[in-house]
Amino acid sequence: AQKITQTQPGMFVQEKEAVTLDCTYDTSDPSYGLFWYKQPSSGEMIFLIYQGSYDQQNATEGRYSLNFQKARKSANLVISASQLGDSAMYFCAMREAGNNRKLIWGLGTSLAVNP
Amino acid sequence: DVKVTQSSRYLVKRTGEKVFLECVQDMDHENMFWYRQDPGLGLRLIYFSYDVKMKEKGDIPEGYSVSREKKERFSLILESASTNQTSMYLCASSPLEYPTDTQYFGPGTRLTVL
Repeated sequence: AQKITQTQPGMFVQEKEAVTLDCTYDTSDPSYGLFWYKQPSSGEMIFLIYQGSYDQQNATEGRYSLNFQKARKSANLVISASQLGDSAMYFCAMREAGNNRKLIWGLGTSLAVNP
Repeated sequence: DVKVTQSSRYLVKRTGEKVFLECVQDMDHENMFWYRQDPGLGLRLIYFSYDVKMKEKGDIPEGYSVSREKKERFSLILESASTNQTSMYLCASSPLEYPTDTQYFGPGTRLTVL
């Protein structure tokens, strides 16, 4: 059963606007970590932001923030003030405590930033 | 900065050839991973290693083997390449600490098997 769901295959946003990329997850483990990665057309997977299941506050990293709603099992990525260089694939991933270092990956969302 | 390097960005091989993909990390990370990425299928874990000479199968190990003789180097081996192994191969490394064991990736190798 898929444990990470990214429901938006493709998204468009105007430059300088904010955009939210959705991610929902499914786990019965109380201890887990959630990650977001960016993959530009060059292919390299770039780590953006991390949220732990016990973290009290939403994670932020520059223009990236994670809207963590634990009861709803969602971990949406918010990119503020979009830039042309933000055009890329974005992947959500989860690490469960008992899962032996493995990440469970979503299928990604393609984001296009329009000038 | 974490640095993960892969031996080739692009590689073209013939069916039946033995193929080596090399990955090196410079952050003294315990864990190393090999993934393949295909359109519509996302990232799938082939093998990972949590220590020198230790390895564990991922979700799709068939047709692949790995080698980790030194902590910084993790090799993926296609014993007899086939056309269905044409794919993007990504290597990653991570430290041991849970849960913040963020995986850091190399630039990827686009392998074409003819």
